Amino acid sequence: AQKITQTQPGMFVQEKEAVTLDCTYDTSDQSYGLFWYKQPSSGEMIFLIYQGSYDEQNATEGRYSLNFQKARKSANLVISASQLGDSAMYFCAMREGNNAGNMLTFGGGTRLMVKP
Amino acid sequence: DADVTQTPRNRITKTGKRIMLECSQTKGHDRMYWYRQDPGLGLRLIYYSFDVKDINKGEISDGYSVSRQAQAKFSLSLESAIPNQTALYFCATSDSGTSVNEQFFGPGTRLTVL
Repeated sequence: AQKITQTQPGMFVQEKEAVTLDCTYDTSDQSYGLFWYKQPSSGEMIFLIYQGSYDEQNATEGRYSLNFQKARKSANLVISASQLGDSAMYFCAMREGNNAGNMLTFGGGTRLMVKP
Repeated sequence: DADVTQTPRNRITKTGKRIMLECSQTKGHDRMYWYRQDPGLGLRLIYYSFDVKDINKGEISDGYSVSRQAQAKFSLSLESAIPNQTALYFCATSDSGTSVNEQFFGPGTRLTVL
């Protein structure tokens, strides 16, 4: 079974609007971490935001927030006030277990396109 | 200057050739990783190293080998390249001393095997 599922291969959003990128995960571990990375057309991977499984508050970083619903095993990324520079691939990833060095498992990504 | 650098950035080679991709970091991180990304897909882990002389296989290590020559250097080798190893390769680092332990990625190496 897929450990990380991103069901939206591509999405459009109007500039200045908010957008939600979906991510569901599958793990039997109680301790895990969820990450979102951005990959612009230039190819580099940029860390955006992190949510630990024991964190009670949803993570926020500037215009990025993570809508963490533990019971549903979802960790959706919300981007507020979209900008043209937000057009990119977005990857959700999970790290399982207590060992902080455990590998990341990535989803297939969502391509976000921001319309002017 | 970039904290995580990869050389070369682009490489075209032929089937059967030996290829080495190099990664260097100035972040002082102890952990380093090699991933590959195929078109339209997420990243998959090839090998990782928690410290010098510590090497661990990832999800897709067949056909690859690595060497951690120093804390700052982690190289990936394809002993005999084949066309299905054509992909974008990323090196990443992380610091085991942080609670989040996020991984920082290099710019990637685009490898084409003809």
